[in-house]
Amino acid sequence: EVQLVESGGGLVQPGRSLRLSCAASGFNFDDYAMHWVRQRPGKGLEWVSGITWSSGTTVYADSVRGRFTISRDNAKTSLYLHMDRLRAEDTAFYYCVKELYKAMAYNFGSWGQGILVTVSS
Amino acid sequence: QSALTQPASVSGSPGQSITISCTGTSSDVGGYNYVSWYQQYPGKVPKLMIYDVSKRPSGVSDRFSGSKSGNTASLTISGLQAEDEADYYCSSFADRSAPNVFGSGTKVTVL
Repeated sequence: EVQLVESGGGLVQPGRSLRLSCAASGFNFDDYAMHWVRQRPGKGLEWVSGITWSSGTTVYADSVRGRFTISRDNAKTSLYLHMDRLRAEDTAFYYCVKELYKAMAYNFGSWGQGILVTVSS
Repeated sequence: QSALTQPASVSGSPGQSITISCTGTSSDVGGYNYVSWYQQYPGKVPKLMIYDVSKRPSGVSDRFSGSKSGNTASLTISGLQAEDEADYYCSSFADRSAPNVFGSGTKVTVL
């Protein structure tokens, strides 16, 4: 069974940094592209960032490019999102998401439970 | 990036069919067969219902079907059931600096 468990969220001041982690299990992590998707409380879904299995390609939403960095450690079967210069509008639940199939096709097949990041002074 | 346009709400009676539209541009929905649909219950995690416009992942009911015409994709729920009451989001690959965009979301109500 696929399991994706996010950690590292919480309350952070505007302008500060935070790193989210996602521990993956139940599948061959190093075969799959992975993503982060967020959802502001009571609002819709927003794709944030994606990374191929090899880390050879990373892509970002316009709203976070230059501030957020996605990375992965296949040996630790973990996905990360390093968030710099956080803004109030980055407040959201952040989901770790696995592709349905291996390639980066933006078919979000499995989702973690999500973790809340609150940016506020 | 601008969200794909979905109706805020759609409703139907049990047993009926409803269709949710998802309108984009030739740079996303209209240009590629990479549209997917997600179901989300309140307080729960989204679930993939349709991918590549019309394919169903294993375990998804065949009451759910997807299609596309021009820049508009559609999700049809046939034989509407109370358990179908949820929020639904479309998503598409986009030929832009940000390669993916979600729809604004549609709340489905079963009357």
